[in-house]
Amino acid sequence: QKEVEQDPGPLSVPEGAIVSLNCTYSNSAFQYFMWYRQYSRKGPELLMYTYSSGNKEDGRFTAQVDKSSKYISLFIRDSQPSDSATYLCAMSGLTGTASKLTFGTGTRLQVTL
Amino acid sequence: DVKVTQSSRYLVKRTGEKVFLECVQDMDHENMFWYRQDPGLGLRLIYFSYDVKMKEKGDIPEGYSVSREKKERFSLILESASTNQTSMYLCASSGDATSGLYNEQFFGPGTRLTVL
Repeated sequence: QKEVEQDPGPLSVPEGAIVSLNCTYSNSAFQYFMWYRQYSRKGPELLMYTYSSGNKEDGRFTAQVDKSSKYISLFIRDSQPSDSATYLCAMSGLTGTASKLTFGTGTRLQVTL
Repeated sequence: DVKVTQSSRYLVKRTGEKVFLECVQDMDHENMFWYRQDPGLGLRLIYFSYDVKMKEKGDIPEGYSVSREKKERFSLILESASTNQTSMYLCASSGDATSGLYNEQFFGPGTRLTVL
C-alpha cells in the first residue's frame, strides 16, 4: 500500500462548478501538507501549504486537513478553464534540513466551458 | 522569484550512453532533489542533497548517480542509459528559512528524456 493515495482521475467538471480533490495517507507522522498544481509540460508549483489539522483559504482555494482520518482535501470554487491541470498532494513529517516530501500520484482536472 | 533551471527541456539519447542532467537554483537553497515522473506512478525521488558534496539515496537510486560540487548546482548522471529510464526528470530545491516554508520545494520545468 502506498503511503499517500490519490485518485488519478481524470475529473471533468463544467466551468463554475465546485471541485473537490482528495488524498488519504497512512503515516501518522505527517505534519505538513501541501497541494501542488502542474500544468502540462511544466514543473509543479505550490498552491497551498498547511500545518497540522484545520482549514486554510486562499481566494477560490480551500485546503482542509483531517489528521484523525488521515484525509486531506482541496476545494476549488467557481472553477475556471485555467484551473485545468494535474493537482498533486504532498506531505512531510519534518521541516528543515533534508525534509523530503511524499507525493500523491496526482489528479488530472479538466474544467470545460 | 525562485528560479530553478534545467539544462535541457528535451533530450534524446541512445542505450548505453552516459547522460548528464544539470539543475541550477538561484535562491541559495540548501536542499536539492531529483525526481522522475511517470504516468500512474507520480513523482519518485531518485536522490537528494542537503549540502555541498552531500547526497542521499531516494526511493529509486539504481542506475543513477549525482554530483553536488557547488551549492547552486545539482547534477544527475545516468552512467549507462537504458530504455526504462525514458521519463520526465524534475529537479527541485528547498530550504528558505526566512519564509517559514522551509520544506516547500520549488521545481524546474523538467527534462523529457527519451532513450532509444
